[in-house]
Amino acid sequence: AQSVAQPEDQVNVAEGNPLTVKCTYSVSGNPYLFWYVQYPNRGLQFLLKYITGDNLVKGSYGFEAEFNKSQTSFHLKKPSALVSDSALYFCAVRDWYNAGNMLTFGGGTRLMVKP
Amino acid sequence: EPEVTQTPSHQVTQMGQEVILRCVPISNHLYFYWYRQILGQKVEFLVSFYNNEISEKSEIFDDQFSVERPDGSNFTLKIRSTKLEDSAMYFCASRGDTVQETQYFGPGTRLLVL
Repeated sequence: AQSVAQPEDQVNVAEGNPLTVKCTYSVSGNPYLFWYVQYPNRGLQFLLKYITGDNLVKGSYGFEAEFNKSQTSFHLKKPSALVSDSALYFCAVRDWYNAGNMLTFGGGTRLMVKP
Repeated sequence: EPEVTQTPSHQVTQMGQEVILRCVPISNHLYFYWYRQILGQKVEFLVSFYNNEISEKSEIFDDQFSVERPDGSNFTLKIRSTKLEDSAMYFCASRGDTVQETQYFGPGTRLLVL
């Protein structure tokens, strides 16, 4: 079984400050980890993923995430937040051997960046 | 940049009616998925489809649901007899042929069952 937890329903940050959106996961084998962003009335847009290799992965719009195997975490970060980053962020996991490759999503974290 | 497209964007139907949600996956992708998101809840997996057959389905995907790739480009989700609790945003996704590839999502169809 695979699961994802996003412990914060909402994260508030001032524009220009660094942001972190937390994600922890549980899988039986090795994880493939993803972050998606959802703007109002829009679909899920892919931000970045971890498959293997360097624990720090860089993605779209200046976002990055760090894979920490010992803490089973994959927190999303950005050094300097923009008001336009305000959206709903979803972490997702897939177990590497999962035949259908279904994604399991966390509950989402609403990021509010204030000017 | 190639995108997954979905039609309609919104659909309102009466309980007990059949609905068909349509998706056009990215053209060279081979794996197709349907997910749904009930308002205020997390995104849930429904079904995955590969090589013209279902490869995995969730408990949600009962006999009222079916999927089809009728013409080599469209990928459809049919709900035979809609229930109030089927009201949700339905997302289609597709990915390429290697297991490490990303699933790309369409903009969704918002289904409201009255």
